[in-house]
Amino acid sequence: AQTVTQSQPEMSVQEAETVTLSCTYDTSESDYYLFWYKQPPSRQMILVIRQEAYKQQNATENRFSVNFQKAAKSFSLKISDSQLGDAAMYFCAYRSANAGGTSYGKLTFGQGTILTVHP
Amino acid sequence: EPEVTQTPSHQVTQMGQEVILRCVPISNHLYFYWYRQILGQKVEFLVSFYNNEISEKSEIFDDQFSVERPDGSNFTLKIRSTKLEDSAMYFCASSWSGTGDEKLFFGSGTQLSVL
Repeated sequence: AQTVTQSQPEMSVQEAETVTLSCTYDTSESDYYLFWYKQPPSRQMILVIRQEAYKQQNATENRFSVNFQKAAKSFSLKISDSQLGDAAMYFCAYRSANAGGTSYGKLTFGQGTILTVHP
Repeated sequence: EPEVTQTPSHQVTQMGQEVILRCVPISNHLYFYWYRQILGQKVEFLVSFYNNEISEKSEIFDDQFSVERPDGSNFTLKIRSTKLEDSAMYFCASSWSGTGDEKLFFGSGTQLSVL
């Protein structure tokens, strides 16, 4: 079974600065997908960024980028130019690429990291 | 952006009572899911649903739980006889397809408190 670990329960950053959230995972599969979800106080889970394991290039979405180290099974999220609206709980999640049908919706989540952004 | 809607946002019930949590997935989505998050713990997969049947369920999803899509728009999670340990945030999610990097759209959750 796959596991996802986020070792930082809480992180803080100054507005406009850069912060990196850590995530490691354990799997015996070679093909899979990794995600970062944001959960603001509204509680809705919002997809921030996704990475396909067979793509070596790190995914980027505007101010958000990942550092994907497949051999180390590490998937960190970097937030550049942090904004007050970035304050939220961030979850790292794993999905197998080998499952069929609706198993694609089965995400394995980490414990989450609470990000505080100071003005 | 389209949204998944969950009602109610908070539900309080007595132990042993039945509760139904309601979700309205995005209209053209075909795959539906329930997740839950006990306070201070990870978000956990409960069940996936496609073509009017359960596709996969976790160990948590025992006989006390059931899901259905009664009218083509709603997707419900029923807990027949609630226990204290069922207290959690329950998230509904939906997606258009089952392909690997498909984005799941989550609702805002229903906070269930069992007294």
